[in-house]
Amino acid sequence: QKEVEQNSGPLSVPEGAIASLNCTYSDRGSQSFFWYRQYSGKSPELIMFIYSNGDKEDGRFTAQLNKASQYVSLLIRDSQPSDSATYLCAASERDNFNKFYFGSGTKLNVKP
Amino acid sequence: EAQVTQNPRYLITVTGKKLTVTCSQNMNHEYMSWYRQDPGLGLRQIYYSMNVEVTDKGDVPEGYKVSRKEKRNFPLILESPSPNQTSLYFCASSVTGGNGYTFGSGTRLTVV
Repeated sequence: QKEVEQNSGPLSVPEGAIASLNCTYSDRGSQSFFWYRQYSGKSPELIMFIYSNGDKEDGRFTAQLNKASQYVSLLIRDSQPSDSATYLCAASERDNFNKFYFGSGTKLNVKP
Repeated sequence: EAQVTQNPRYLITVTGKKLTVTCSQNMNHEYMSWYRQDPGLGLRQIYYSMNVEVTDKGDVPEGYKVSRKEKRNFPLILESPSPNQTSLYFCASSVTGGNGYTFGSGTRLTVV
């Protein structure tokens, strides 16, 4: 059974700090990885995706991928109270970009 | 406005009474997908479609049917709903599949 694991949290950080969210996946052949943000009672919103080992930056967000360790992370710099949400990690199946496995999410609280 | 529209937002039904949840996107996306979200289990993929008349099973297809007769529409059909299908359902669409999905607002289904 393919799995994506995330610590459910909550992860609490003070405003302005760096929030670090982590995710591991079981399918060594997974090729693409995604981070979504989900506010309470709302639908998931795509933050970013990453395919290659290393870092990918988009504004205050940096995704990091280490395929050897089967590890994906999301760093949020200068965290704001509006970043308080549940963050979902997803991985695609080895040969199918359209079949995804999601983690159950990490709840982030950013305290003013 | 680019969006994925699901209807209804809330539905309470009885065991065995056939129902359809509609999903429509106005972004001319090729790829569409259905998910269910349950506490502690995260998002699980039910079915996905890569184009008109092309559909495939996700991780939890049992008890569900889909069709893709038009590019913009991807309805989810529950022929004989059971209480274990009580869940929050999301439809999503993507231009490529591999670059992440745009989610609809969700349908909260209760089967009694």
